[in-house]
Amino acid sequence: ETGVTQSPTHLIKTRGQQVTLRCSSQSGHNTVSWYQQALGQGPQFIFQYYREEENGRGNFPPRFSGLQFPNYSSELNVNALELDDSALYLCASSRGQVNTGELFFGEGSRLTVL
Amino acid sequence: AQSVTQPDIHITVSEGASLELRCNYSYGATPYLFWYVQSPGQGLQLLLKYFSGDTLVQGIKGFEAEFKRSQSSFNLRKPSVHWSDAAEYFCAVSGNTGKLIFGQGTTLQVKP
Repeated sequence: ETGVTQSPTHLIKTRGQQVTLRCSSQSGHNTVSWYQQALGQGPQFIFQYYREEENGRGNFPPRFSGLQFPNYSSELNVNALELDDSALYLCASSRGQVNTGELFFGEGSRLTVL
Repeated sequence: AQSVTQPDIHITVSEGASLELRCNYSYGATPYLFWYVQSPGQGLQLLLKYFSGDTLVQGIKGFEAEFKRSQSSFNLRKPSVHWSDAAEYFCAVSGNTGKLIFGQGTTLQVKP
C-alpha cells in the first residue's frame, strides 16, 4: 500500500511569487486535506477536497487554492506569496466524505519565502 | 470556540521513566480525539484515537491515553520511555467533518 507522497520536499520562493505543491493520496483514499504548519506551531487546516470538490475550508485567504484530480491526487496553489507563508505544508488523505479525522499524512513540503 | 491546549511546550524525561503529556480540549459536540507524533523532518504519524466506548485507549509504540469528559482532557501516557520516543507530540480534536484542530505541540526530550 503506497502512502501519501508530496513534492517538492523543499523549495524557496520570493515574496509575490506563486507556488504549486503536489500530493498523491494513499491508495483507496478519496479525500485530501491540506494543513499549514508554521515553525513551532501545530498544523492548521487549510481546506479539504472530496471527489474533486472543495469540502471545507479553514481561515485562509482566497490566494490559497487547491485542486483534486480524478485519481484523487491534489495540488495546493498559493499566489502572491508573503513572508508569513513560510511553513511546512502537509497533505493528508482519508477515506470518505464524512470521516472522523483519522488522517494519513505525507512528510510535507517546506516552503521558504524570502 | 473549538480549541486544543497542550500546557507543556517542552518536557524532558529520563529514559525508562514514565511519561504523561497533557491535553485539554474545547469542542461543542462529541469530540473525536487523537494523538499524533512528528519526528524531525517527518510528517505526522497517528499514535492513537478515541471515538467512543472505553475511555482508556491503547495505541502504537506502547502509548495509551485516557479520555475524561468531565475534565475535557485526553492525556497521553507511557510507562517507560525509550530514547526513540524523542519527538514532537500533537493532540487533536475533530467532529465528523474530518477537519482536525491541533494543539501547539509538546516537544519530548529523553535523557540517557
